[in-house]
Amino acid sequence: DAKTTQPNSMESNEEEPVHLPCNHSTISGTDYIHWYRQLPSQGPEYVIHGLTSNVNNRMASLAIAEDRKSSTLILHRATLRDAAVYYCILIRARGQGAQKLVFGQGTRLTINP
Amino acid sequence: DAMVIQNPRYQVTQFGKPVTLSCSQTLNHNVMYWYQQKSSQAPKLLFHYYDKDFNNEADTPDNFQSRRPNTSFCFLDIRSPGLGDAAMYLCATSKGPKAGGLDEQFFGPGTRLTVL
Repeated sequence: DAKTTQPNSMESNEEEPVHLPCNHSTISGTDYIHWYRQLPSQGPEYVIHGLTSNVNNRMASLAIAEDRKSSTLILHRATLRDAAVYYCILIRARGQGAQKLVFGQGTRLTINP
Repeated sequence: DAMVIQNPRYQVTQFGKPVTLSCSQTLNHNVMYWYQQKSSQAPKLLFHYYDKDFNNEADTPDNFQSRRPNTSFCFLDIRSPGLGDAAMYLCATSKGPKAGGLDEQFFGPGTRLTVL
């Protein structure tokens, strides 16, 4: 599976938007872009995913570049509870077999009160 | 409401003494995964079961084994724990590829293993 590159850490203030970047220059046409996050002392949790078009859900938005070589996870109004490690993961669509998550180092997001 | 349950949350074992970690799920998912997460590192997949089919990762040491006696339960056995096996062990489940482009994984809270 193609690799992703994320900044090691980012910092933002409460109630401000946060843009978390991810580079994936070797992405293939069948790779989906997934984001998971891991809150302190918890297991990871799914945030959002997309293929080509921008996506919105109750947790976040995902903006995907036209060439798909990068994407940005957007938290519209960060809260203290959004402090976590955010992982950008590429998953190749397969007709069978489980989708295995290969975690990179992720971005540690700190939210200041 | 708990969907993926891991017991115990904290486990202490002695060097070389076999230990078993437990995971159960109420989601009736087809796939169950075990990940190892060492301090300040990302989770790393050890293996997974797709129904009864066991799928080992190429670099998972032989010291790690798994059992899935039924849909709901999956166990991680560490035959002879070393100091380097101290880590958080995370269990996750997913429906499987029938879900299409998304096969969301649901993680348990993890079991933190200490090896003395």
